[in-house]
Amino acid sequence: GQQLNQSPQSMFIQEGEDVSMNCTSSSIFNTWLWYKQDPGEGPVLLIALYKAGELTSNGRLTAQFGITRKDSFLNISASIPSDVGIYFCAGQLEAGGTSYGKLTFGQGTILTVHP
Amino acid sequence: DAGVIQSPRHEVTEMGQEVTLRCKPISGHNSLFWYRQTMMRGLELLIYFNNNVPIDDSGMPEDRFSAKMPNASFSTLKIQPSEPRDSAVYFCASSPGRPLSGNTIYFGEGSWLTVV
Repeated sequence: GQQLNQSPQSMFIQEGEDVSMNCTSSSIFNTWLWYKQDPGEGPVLLIALYKAGELTSNGRLTAQFGITRKDSFLNISASIPSDVGIYFCAGQLEAGGTSYGKLTFGQGTILTVHP
Repeated sequence: DAGVIQSPRHEVTEMGQEVTLRCKPISGHNSLFWYRQTMMRGLELLIYFNNNVPIDDSGMPEDRFSAKMPNASFSTLKIQPSEPRDSAVYFCASSPGRPLSGNTIYFGEGSWLTVV
């Protein structure tokens, strides 16, 4: 089955710094998603990407869908303490044939922001 | 609007006991998922229901695990008998339709299970 490699596993940064994390896959996906999980909560969708090459922003967050459809990155600019959490990428195949659009999640990037 | 509601939020149980986790999806959502999260294996899909019918249960670890969705507003995940390696956070999630592009999956706050 598909596997996602997400890196880095963890990051310790100072408030105000920019952050970059990425996911790579051995398989092609039709959709890339980025989720954030706050401590003690469930994951929440941050950004969804639907086309190869697509670059999408959501406030201080920017994500891109790689041209090869096998990778994606997420950037956070000017980090603040509330950015702390675990960030997950997820790849999704189009529904059809034997696929129903199941999500495959990366292992997560743990982000710590020091004030 | 109420999100996905899970209970209990925390449970500590002894090995061999039966554990039942409950989920109420967002009203109107017809897709429901159970995920398990551990440090070692990350987020794993256990089972996916669409219109109360199990579509994909390939992630259910073994016969000790069972899931039901008797109606559109309620689902259970049962572990019997429980083992220490079942300790994890179990998330229920729902979606307004099949997991296609554009159908966001909304997660509950999770049930934190510890089996001692």
